[in-house]
Amino acid sequence: NAGVTQTPKFRILKIGQSMTLQCTQDMNHNYMYWYRQDPGMGLKLIYYSVGAGITDKGEVPNGYNVSRSTTEDFPLRLELAAPSQTSVYFCASSYDINSGETQYFGPGTRLLVL
Amino acid sequence: GQQVMQIPQYQHVQEGEDFTTYCNSSTTLSNIQWYKQRPGGHPVFLIQLVKSGEVKKQKRLTFQFGEAKKNSSLHITATQTTDVGTYFCAGRRNNDMRFGAGTRLTVKP
Repeated sequence: NAGVTQTPKFRILKIGQSMTLQCTQDMNHNYMYWYRQDPGMGLKLIYYSVGAGITDKGEVPNGYNVSRSTTEDFPLRLELAAPSQTSVYFCASSYDINSGETQYFGPGTRLLVL
Repeated sequence: GQQVMQIPQYQHVQEGEDFTTYCNSSTTLSNIQWYKQRPGGHPVFLIQLVKSGEVKKQKRLTFQFGEAKKNSSLHITATQTTDVGTYFCAGRRNNDMRFGAGTRLTVKP
């Protein structure tokens, strides 16, 4: 199993540009998550999904959108990039949320908005 | 809303010394998880605590969940250079999971 994979690894955007961060997991996990991690800080949940077709907002959803058309994929969309969105983005997945299953993290996408 | 505070923010120790990081939640938690993130890496799950007063050990690491399920600690005995990284706690309450800001551990050989 590849686990959780993310692309791209690094991206530079200009203010106002848009992009999609890709996330794929091959563990047949129901739950998927998007976090952002600012320098020297912890992780903040942007959006999560409990299954295909179902998504919900996390702690910091503004400026982002997600979709979950398949169990495997959970892309994160930035429509109008702003400098405040400069961060490292981690995708994660877990089998179940209620049992507190461990989350498996992808390697991250470093985004710089100039 | 739920807040998870973690202290200290940084800790620098001599190899062989002990290390402890503390995690405090503003609300009672369903469970708490601990993760380790190496510099430039991604968070890796260490352990989950669910029961009040629970204590779990992994070799030199001891994890504790408070009786009120609002605080937790991670203690490393006799640190090694391989322990370097940032340790995060993540407290869950229902479907809401919040990460602490982490404690960054550096170890001098």
